[in-house]
Amino acid sequence: GAGVSQSPSNKVTEKGKDVELRCDPISGHTALYWYRQRLGQGLEFLIYFQGNSAPDKSGLPSDRFSAERTGESVSTLTIQRTQQEDSAVYLCASSLAMGETQYFGPGTRLLVL
Amino acid sequence: GNSVTQMEGPVTLSEEAFLTINCTYTATGYPSLFWYVQYPGEGLQLLLKATKADDKGSNKGFEATYRKETTSFHLEKGSVQVSDSAVYFCANYNQGGKLIFGQGTELSVKP
Repeated sequence: GAGVSQSPSNKVTEKGKDVELRCDPISGHTALYWYRQRLGQGLEFLIYFQGNSAPDKSGLPSDRFSAERTGESVSTLTIQRTQQEDSAVYLCASSLAMGETQYFGPGTRLLVL
Repeated sequence: GNSVTQMEGPVTLSEEAFLTINCTYTATGYPSLFWYVQYPGEGLQLLLKATKADDKGSNKGFEATYRKETTSFHLEKGSVQVSDSAVYFCANYNQGGKLIFGQGTELSVKP
């Protein structure tokens, strides 16, 4: 594909609801990453996938956050029982392999009311 | 673990002024270093990178040199334009394959 795509681009939800964020990486990229960018802050690493496996989940903020990847392609980040502090832009990136240059998607802007 | 520290913004310059955004890092070994840019309303884009000591990354008139002795990767441009207004992020890889980002430096260029 042309680049990393993410959907939805914007999501407004009520506190306590579950949300799913989707990432389509660049075709052929084996590594996929999720980051969070809170307003006025830097990027916070959440989780990465090598193929369909996530070797390190320590960056996920709480057990309300989970992620999966299937077919070494699409990934979904799920946030259960959303809280207002979850409001942020969630960025996905992919790279040809681990340690290679990461290319970012446009992000999903999540607002929890 | 790895970390990245960059100068705080916002930085405001007049068009054609010289730009330096400082970035220093701590790391195990010698990871690749990156500058990413985020233009208003857009996603994060790779601006330039350097993969080993003394390498110079360059793109769109921007340059940064990987300085092992000072653990720095300062971003420079000789003559900024209004279109360079954006937030700039310095980053390095840690051993686990994660990109570690600085806090970002907002640049505003006035005509």
